Amino acid sequence: DAGVTQSPTHLIKTRGQQVTLRCSPKSGHDTVSWYQQALGQGPQFIFQYYEEEERQRGNFPDRFSGHQFPNYSSELNVNALLLGDSALYLCASSYSPAGYEQYFGPGTRLTVT
Amino acid sequence: AQSVTQLDSHVSVSEGTPVLLRCNYSSSYSPSLFWYVQHPNKGLQLLLKYTSAATLVKGINGFEAEFKKSETSFHLTKPSAHMSDAAEYFCVVSDFESPGLTFGKGTHLIIQP
Repeated sequence: DAGVTQSPTHLIKTRGQQVTLRCSPKSGHDTVSWYQQALGQGPQFIFQYYEEEERQRGNFPDRFSGHQFPNYSSELNVNALLLGDSALYLCASSYSPAGYEQYFGPGTRLTVT
Repeated sequence: AQSVTQLDSHVSVSEGTPVLLRCNYSSSYSPSLFWYVQHPNKGLQLLLKYTSAATLVKGINGFEAEFKKSETSFHLTKPSAHMSDAAEYFCVVSDFESPGLTFGKGTHLIIQP
């Protein structure tokens, strides 16, 4: 049974560029959440997707957007990258939006120079 | 709004001795509480969860936690530390009002040989 997968593993971008990160949920899961983990900090909730719609959102600017596809996979897009966007981006999946037990992927390490 | 405070940023114990990682939470509603572990360069793994059933929760790898509503605490314990327990541990709270999971800043567990 495949767990949550994310791609790419590492990414280096220049300030002002745009980036797209991808996530495939654990088999049987229909809800995907994204988190940002800065160095030395706990993850912070960005947003959650269910039924191809954004259901909840944390305190992140509109530069952060996402998408969920019919097969439940998801993308996180970040526009106009800032140096402060450098972080580990984690994807988590669950059985439903109310399914608090979330399973995390290994993350994508984004470095903005 | 919900919040989590992990009382120790670093904890060092000798192999074979007990482990205690402390966590206090704040939530306006009946929360769900979790402990996750993050090994270097790996994703987050769920150790255990509390969702208003038994107040003493047993998890994987010999870890357990006790929910104490009067003290708003959810401390993580293990009777005997193993070298493989060295990792970052996160206390996490969730309730139906706040979006996503709210993580503490983490406790770095060091195991001395």
